[in-house]
Amino acid sequence: GAVVSQHPSRVICKSGTSVKIECRSLDFQATTMFWYRQFPKQSLMLMATSNEGSKATYEQGVEKDKFLINHASLTLSTLTVTSAHPEDSSFYICSAREARGAKNIQYFGAGTRLSVL
Amino acid sequence: QQPVQSPQAVILREGEDAVINCSSSKALYSVHWYRQKHGEAPVFLMILLKGGEQKGHEKISASFNEKKQQSSLYLTASQLSYSGTYFCGTEILGNSWGKLQFGAGTQVVVTP
Repeated sequence: GAVVSQHPSRVICKSGTSVKIECRSLDFQATTMFWYRQFPKQSLMLMATSNEGSKATYEQGVEKDKFLINHASLTLSTLTVTSAHPEDSSFYICSAREARGAKNIQYFGAGTRLSVL
Repeated sequence: QQPVQSPQAVILREGEDAVINCSSSKALYSVHWYRQKHGEAPVFLMILLKGGEQKGHEKISASFNEKKQQSSLYLTASQLSYSGTYFCGTEILGNSWGKLQFGAGTQVVVTP
């Protein structure tokens, strides 16, 4: 099956610092990747859609300047949380879309647990 | 736009069956089902397109009624490994990039 790698799995940082999270599709090319945020015992909230070679599309209410997304290649998308604050602490998960004919299947990375002190 | 899932939680004994429902107010292109275990990423189970009923992944199957914008996931002869939170993800007809909206999830606990 398709494999998506997400790194780091856990990060603890001080308030005001920036944190970069990488998402890689290992065995397929992904023109589209997605970034989600998940609070404890809650659903996956889509933050943005990342398309290779173009600007990301952000969902309503998500600050573009806060959450910088770069999709530089067909296998790599990065999410940078800039000037992180405690309220940014959360579980961030990426997914990569594999298009199989008429089917668009998203495969998820293992997630990154961000704790901002 | 978020689909509605029911029930919120279900407790089963090994070998019992359960049904999880997912409904949307929007016309759908596809429905996706995922299972997530605590602290882990969601794992893809199956995708259903219009008129599709699919069997796959252990004894878990699903159906999709595109006229009613509803999908159901059937857990048959449940095993301990079925425990986790199940999410349906809906792809709205006409949306681009395969974007999904996820339901709130159904927590499934299978006991010995």
